[in-house]
Amino acid sequence: DAGITQSPRHKVTETGTPVTLRCHQTENHRYMYWYRQDPGHGLRLIHYSYGVKDTDKGEVSDGYSVSRSKTEDFLLTLESATSSQTSVYFCAISEGTANEQFFGPGTRLTVL
Amino acid sequence: AQSVTQPDIHITVSEGASLELRCNYSYGATPYLFWYVQSPGQGLQLLLKYFSGDTLVQGIKGFEAEFKRSQSSFNLRKPSVHWSDAAEYFCAVGARLTGGGNKLTFGTGTQLKVEL
Repeated sequence: DAGITQSPRHKVTETGTPVTLRCHQTENHRYMYWYRQDPGHGLRLIHYSYGVKDTDKGEVSDGYSVSRSKTEDFLLTLESATSSQTSVYFCAISEGTANEQFFGPGTRLTVL
Repeated sequence: AQSVTQPDIHITVSEGASLELRCNYSYGATPYLFWYVQSPGQGLQLLLKYFSGDTLVQGIKGFEAEFKRSQSSFNLRKPSVHWSDAAEYFCAVGARLTGGGNKLTFGTGTQLKVEL
């Protein structure tokens, strides 16, 4: 299995509070991604990174920001959490464009 | 924009029976295609992938899939299902992103139940 960890694995927070999720990889892969998974929607891309300090938006980026200061770490921040951001968040990595993505174990976030 | 349709939300098969999960995609160029499996509370595990070449691809756990460009399909098959195959299966199409890497667009998944 690809070396990907996510922390925390579970979090409950209140509306309006900031939340940061961390993805850590030991594979030295260039590309990292954040997805959210919701029933009836499959997984949808939030943000991605194509190198240190190089990030871009995905299809559901509103309300989220990301940062990547090191190859191995990709952070997802909810500046002011809302109930609509209750979801399971997955980090993924890939070595190149024409390569498969490997997924982390996920973080279950509940916003009350 | 690309899209993926998995028309079967739930499928139930008996252990030992054959399995086919359907996947249709929409994409303007030659697609990258994937099948992932997810067990409850777990992440996604890659079963197999298609980038180019032979249209019949073999994956892990005895799964295979066939890319049919004329039908825009990438159906997943297994000749004999095991009880441990019960899980949710996702088909995905990959499209190149501006900065490199590729964005996966997923179908909504097919939940497989295996009857003993």
